[in-house]
Amino acid sequence: GDSVTQMEGPVTLSEEAFLTINCTYTATGYPSLFWYVQYPGEGLQLLLKATKADDKGSNKGFEATYRKETTSFHLEKGSVQVSDSAVYFCALSLSSGSARQLTFGSGTQLTVLP
Amino acid sequence: EAQVTQNPRYLITVTGKKLTVTCSQNMNHEYMSWYRQDPGLGLRQIYYSMNVEVTDKGDVPEGYKVSRKEKRNFPLILESPSPNQTSLYFCASSPRQGDWNQPQHFGDGTRLSIL
Repeated sequence: GDSVTQMEGPVTLSEEAFLTINCTYTATGYPSLFWYVQYPGEGLQLLLKATKADDKGSNKGFEATYRKETTSFHLEKGSVQVSDSAVYFCALSLSSGSARQLTFGSGTQLTVLP
Repeated sequence: EAQVTQNPRYLITVTGKKLTVTCSQNMNHEYMSWYRQDPGLGLRQIYYSMNVEVTDKGDVPEGYKVSRKEKRNFPLILESPSPNQTSLYFCASSPRQGDWNQPQHFGDGTRLSIL
């Protein structure tokens, strides 16, 4: 079945450090890929997305590139801030006709220290 | 303001006492879904609905019921809650079931504790 694997957390960084959160997927079709962010006490919000191979999604300084050859969608940010502390979820959505739109990874907790 | 509203946000109850978590969206979305979030497991889909009167099971439907009588509402019903249903629950919606590139909009979550 389809699945998403994220690097395990928690991840703790100092402010202005470089961030990478790894995400790999398995899918039978050609998925769209998403990163969602969950701030404390809130629901998930879309951070960025990519809909086909080699697309780069970007938002708020975060970037992720859809790599079909490595089935990966790693999240990166060059300089994290305290306000980036949250849980990050990688997810895929298939266009195969399945009505179950999103498959999520297990989430990665990020804490940024001042 | 476009939003998905869940109620209640927090609930502590006892085993066997029926409860309903409401979910309402004001975006005229066709697709709605319920997830539960558990540590180390991410979000797992419980039930989804592609439109009014159309619902289907997700990955973990046991012990839950849903209904979709109106487009905007998608309540989650626990007929006889048990402690293993203690979790954080999210409702989500998106414009159309087949529009794979559209993100889902999430509510703020409902934390259920079943004693």
